[in-house]
Amino acid sequence: GQNIDQPTEMTATEGAIVQINCTYQTSGFNGLFWYQQHAGEAPTFLSYNVLDGLEEKGRFSSFLSRSKGYSYLLLKELQMKDSASYLCAVSKGSARQLTFGSGTQLTVLP
Amino acid sequence: GAGVSQTPSNKVTEKGKYVELRCDPISGHTALYWYRQSLGQGPEFLIYFQGTGAADDSGLPNDRFFAVRPEGSVSTLKIQRTERGDSAVYLCASSLHVQETQYFGPGTRLLVL
Repeated sequence: GQNIDQPTEMTATEGAIVQINCTYQTSGFNGLFWYQQHAGEAPTFLSYNVLDGLEEKGRFSSFLSRSKGYSYLLLKELQMKDSASYLCAVSKGSARQLTFGSGTQLTVLP
Repeated sequence: GAGVSQTPSNKVTEKGKYVELRCDPISGHTALYWYRQSLGQGPEFLIYFQGTGAADDSGLPNDRFFAVRPEGSVSTLKIQRTERGDSAVYLCASSLHVQETQYFGPGTRLLVL
């Protein structure tokens, strides 16, 4: 089996930086994805890590440590539109199906 | 090009009825996935197609659920004898190849009364 844990809720202020952590336990690990999901909408791809280290993409960065089963998503210069659920997902197996955490609901306050 | 599309966007049915949910993947994408998402949870894997064949259906909860992709493009998820517990958002995702990033459609919101 596999467990993916991430905080249920987080709150931050517009313009600030927030880090959303994700820990996982899995076999057959192929990579870790972060998706953003606004209420009532489809998950939208943000980032993918397969090797240890930091991947930067504009205001968003994602880090992976495979030995620790740990990842984080870093959001800089927060905007109101960043209020959403952030889903951590592990890819495993030959089918590369994703196993998702329950999501972290981020609220950005003015 | 166009993204993944799913129809209907909403479906209300009665317990015991049969429903079909349709997914149109991104053109040229060979891999297609179905997931189910309950309120406040992340999506749960149901089934994966590579081309026309169901390469992994280990996530289907029971034999009331079945999916097809006869021509390697459009897929239909079929649910027989629906139960109230089947109420959820059914998401479809596609990727260019199995190792690639999955792109999700808007989902079908199924409500079983």
